[in-house]
Amino acid sequence: DVKVTQSSRYLVKRTGEKVFLECVQDMDHENMFWYRQDPGLGLRLIYFSYDVKMKEKGDIPEGYSVSREKKERFSLILESASTNQTSMYLCASSRGQLNSPLHFGNGTRLTVT
Amino acid sequence: AQKITQTQPGMFVQEKEAVTLDCTYDTSDPSYGLFWYKQPSSGEMIFLIYQGSYDQQNATEGRYSLNFQKARKSANLVISASQLGDSAMYFCAMRVIPSGSARQLTFGSGTQLTVLP
Repeated sequence: DVKVTQSSRYLVKRTGEKVFLECVQDMDHENMFWYRQDPGLGLRLIYFSYDVKMKEKGDIPEGYSVSREKKERFSLILESASTNQTSMYLCASSRGQLNSPLHFGNGTRLTVT
Repeated sequence: AQKITQTQPGMFVQEKEAVTLDCTYDTSDPSYGLFWYKQPSSGEMIFLIYQGSYDQQNATEGRYSLNFQKARKSANLVISASQLGDSAMYFCAMRVIPSGSARQLTFGSGTQLTVLP
């Protein structure tokens, strides 16, 4: 079974802090994704990566950056956390085929105070 | 740009009855894939079923089937014989291949299904 592991289940940070969310997958998937989930809005794509050191902006990249130095690891960085970034963050990975489903981690619930 | 619309924020169904969760999509790409995910209250996202735009038959996976109507751009999920464990949030999602490599999924806003005993 594919395993996508997110480093923290719950995280509380202060406004202005730099925040790192880590994600590791063990199935050699090319694609990795960061989504945020908010009630009534579904999942919105922040960034995705289709190869090591490659990244593309999703629908809501403002205030975020990412890093993919190794194929199995994809990090989401909040350079200066703000209260409107309080959310559930979901990491996912998949192969590059059209019919390949995304495999999700269990999510990180981030609260910025 | 791709768009997924789920117009039912919440649905109720009696145990053992069938239920249909609506999903409409919008894309100009001829090649695309449609996915349904289930998210129980525990939070994990569970992949349920996939339908390709060129698939001739509706996809089925156990009690789940996808009612794919290409001309109407709809991909409704049908759950037969509902069980209490089906109570969850359900998301419809779409993937296209804009440049030859399948990349991100675009998700709808979800439908919260509650199965009543």
